[in-house]
Amino acid sequence: EVMLVESGGGLVQPGGSLRLSCAASGFTFSDYPMTWVRQAPGKGLEWLSTISGSGGTTFFPDSEKGRFTVSRDNSKDTLYLQMHRLRADDTAVYYCAKGATTVTTPFDYWGRGTLVTVSS
Amino acid sequence: SYVLTQPPSVSVAPGKTASITCGGDNIGSRSVHWYQQKPGQAPVLVIHYDNDRPSGIPERFSGSNSENTATLTISRVEAGDEADYYCQVWYSSNDVVFGGGTKLTVL
Repeated sequence: EVMLVESGGGLVQPGGSLRLSCAASGFTFSDYPMTWVRQAPGKGLEWLSTISGSGGTTFFPDSEKGRFTVSRDNSKDTLYLQMHRLRADDTAVYYCAKGATTVTTPFDYWGRGTLVTVSS
Repeated sequence: SYVLTQPPSVSVAPGKTASITCGGDNIGSRSVHWYQQKPGQAPVLVIHYDNDRPSGIPERFSGSNSENTATLTISRVEAGDEADYYCQVWYSSNDVVFGGGTKLTVL
């Protein structure tokens, strides 16, 4: 059974940094691209980043380039999202999701999310 | 950037058919995926590649995609189908776009 479990969320002050983790199990982690998506309270889904199975290629929307970094440790079956210079509007539930096959494929499994609250 | 437009809400009576649209410039040339999200839960993929159902998704869920509109159709709607629905495409091979989401209300 595929499982994705996010962790690392919590309360952080504006301007601070946070690293989220996503522990994967139930599939060969290195064979699949992984993605981070967030959802602000009462809002829709927002794509943050995708990383290839090898970790050699990453994709970000132009709006987030520079503040967020995605990485993965295939020896630990874990995906990471490093976030810097956090703002109040970064407050959201952060989900990791597994790509179905290659990078430009749908997200067939999602974790339950971890809540990040940016506030003083 | 590419924009996907969904109606904010759709209402349907139980047993009837619900149609949720996703508009985008020449969206018919792209593969559209649909996710269902119930309150407090993670999204679930319900339709991929325009009209294919992942395993475990009821046959009541179907999709279509042509020209500037993709559509998610839910037949014989049940109370348990009440949720937010999002369409999604990969744009220019390196950019993911989600629609704004549609809240389906079962009357």
